[in-house]
Amino acid sequence: EPEVTQTPSHQVTQMGQEVILRCVPISNHLYFYWYRQILGQKVEFLVSFYNNEISEKSEIFDDQFSVERPDGSNFTLKIRSTKLEDSAMYFCASSENPGAAETQYFGPGTRLLVL
Amino acid sequence: QQQVKQSPQSLIVQKGGISIINCAYENTAFDYFPWYQQFPGKGPALLIAIRPDVSEKKEGRFTISFNKSAKQFSLHIMDSQPGDSATYFCAASGSGNTGKLIFGQGTTLQVKP
Repeated sequence: EPEVTQTPSHQVTQMGQEVILRCVPISNHLYFYWYRQILGQKVEFLVSFYNNEISEKSEIFDDQFSVERPDGSNFTLKIRSTKLEDSAMYFCASSENPGAAETQYFGPGTRLLVL
Repeated sequence: QQQVKQSPQSLIVQKGGISIINCAYENTAFDYFPWYQQFPGKGPALLIAIRPDVSEKKEGRFTISFNKSAKQFSLHIMDSQPGDSATYFCAASGSGNTGKLIFGQGTTLQVKP
């Protein structure tokens, strides 16, 4: 069964450093998402992406964050200058079609720890 | 308005019992209500979902009950099994948007053998 993959599974970084989290969505999917989950809290939407553009972003997704689809398979989330509060599990998701009622398939996540 | 409130935070059920998790929302523009199941170290996986044009949807041991007027929906797990022990998230999404899911706080379910 096709699945969303994410690398790395764990990342430890120093405050102020840049990190890039990588995702390979399901191959025929066109809509991509990043969510984060701070330990013990709910999953929060960060950004949706389609046709090489951000479709929607949350207020969490400030200027320190950016997303990119650098080639036909990868979808990346960059945090330019990490803060302690960026420590969380980051999930990539993809769907075949946009909008509500479309199943989003989640990857296993990248656990980011900012020291 | 964008919140989805979920309860209880944690739930312990005996094997064979019924697990019930409740969610409430305020935004009437929501029209898709999925439930996700998450095991430790894994991403959320879609369990079952409902649209507001029906009041109930059943898939195997899992049933969503939906009350549009009360803006509430719930997940019932019949004949709960130890393998059902996981964290369950309700979520909501609205038509016309980009698929953004608004998640509830999550319920940690433990099914005792």
